[in-house]
Amino acid sequence: EDQVTQSPEALRLQEGESSSLNCSYTVSGLRGLFWYRQDPGKGPEFLFTLYSAGEEKEKERLKATLTKKESFLHITAPKPEDSATYLCAVWDDYKLSFGAGTTVTVRA
Amino acid sequence: GAVVSQHPSRVICKSGTSVKIECRSLDFQATTMFWYRQFPKQSLMLMATSNEGSKATYEQGVEKDKFLINHASLTLSTLTVTSAHPEDSSFYICSARVPLAREQYFGPGTRLTVT
Repeated sequence: EDQVTQSPEALRLQEGESSSLNCSYTVSGLRGLFWYRQDPGKGPEFLFTLYSAGEEKEKERLKATLTKKESFLHITAPKPEDSATYLCAVWDDYKLSFGAGTTVTVRA
Repeated sequence: GAVVSQHPSRVICKSGTSVKIECRSLDFQATTMFWYRQFPKQSLMLMATSNEGSKATYEQGVEKDKFLINHASLTLSTLTVTSAHPEDSSFYICSARVPLAREQYFGPGTRLTVT
């Protein structure tokens, strides 16, 4: 069965302090890796889809990269509004398999 | 684009009653919708996959007679929690898959509290 492991579990950053979140996966034939952002009490918000090693996507202060075994979500110069739980998922045969998430807290 | 709504956002019901949650794709037609359950500080747990016009496929361990799913149209899926008990209290989230793609867009979730 596919496995998705996210690290760290929690990340506390000062405003402007860049950092990276890791998502490692074991899957036979990647058919898509997805990043979502989830705020407390809300549904996940779609951020990125990556399909092949070497692919990169950016959105504002977020940049997602993909290798053959892991993906990174880089947060550049974060702001307090970037505080959220970031979820990584891989596409299984018919469903998304989610990691446990990384909760990011950005202090002003 | 790709907006998914859920209704209600919060519901409180008494033990033994049934509750229906609606999930709608507002700006696209979704042949496949998914229902998830999320416990505090945990990730999403897939309950079932709903395909328009056919029976839902339930994940192992999910009682299909308790969690009734109907996907009657390309924009609407419903989850009915029958004979609810306090242990059914949770955050229920639906998602819809964009046609010909693998991206799923999620609704805002429904907080169910069974007293």
